Amino acid sequence: ETGVTQSPTHLIKTRGQQVTLRCSSQSGHNTVSWYQQALGQGPQFIFQYYREEENGRGNFPPRFSGLQFPNYSSELNVNALELDDSALYLCASSLGQGRSYEQYFGPGTRLTVT
Amino acid sequence: KQEVTQIPAALSVPEGENLVLNCSFTDSAIYNLQWFRQDPGKGLTSLLLIQSSQREQTSGRLNASLDKSSGRSTLYIAASQPGDSATYLCAVRHSNTGNQFYFGTGTSLTVIP
Repeated sequence: ETGVTQSPTHLIKTRGQQVTLRCSSQSGHNTVSWYQQALGQGPQFIFQYYREEENGRGNFPPRFSGLQFPNYSSELNVNALELDDSALYLCASSLGQGRSYEQYFGPGTRLTVT
Repeated sequence: KQEVTQIPAALSVPEGENLVLNCSFTDSAIYNLQWFRQDPGKGLTSLLLIQSSQREQTSGRLNASLDKSSGRSTLYIAASQPGDSATYLCAVRHSNTGNQFYFGTGTSLTVIP
């Protein structure tokens, strides 16, 4: 069984640019959540996708957007990058969107904005 | 809003020692609590998941307890090893406001050989 994978592992972008991060969920998992982890902080919830629909969103501006595809893989898009967007971006997949389902995290994408 | 606090922020112990990591949360209406391990620059590895109706969970040398009414959880690590060195995060899911995790800022553990 393949675990959660994310690409790329590292990325450097310039302020004002746009970025797309990708996540492949664990086999059989239909729910993907995205988190932002700034250095020295705990992860902060961005949003969740369940069966291709957004299913909950944290306190992040609209320039953070996402997609989920029919195979349940997901993308996180960030427009108009700011220096504070520099962080580790984690995705987590689960068998369902309910609270009882354990979330399995990927290795993350390290984004640096200069 | 749920606030999760972890104390201490950093801990250094000699190999073989037993240790306790603390997690507190402000809103006791949680659905479950999960402890994770994070190695530097890496993703999260799930250690233990405790449902709100449970008092504790055990896995190998790890034991996690939950006191929902007082808003506290502890992670006990027995006979610590250098390989246990990592950051330990606790996260709660709220009963009423969706499926997201609320994370603490973590405890950075160093086990000295």
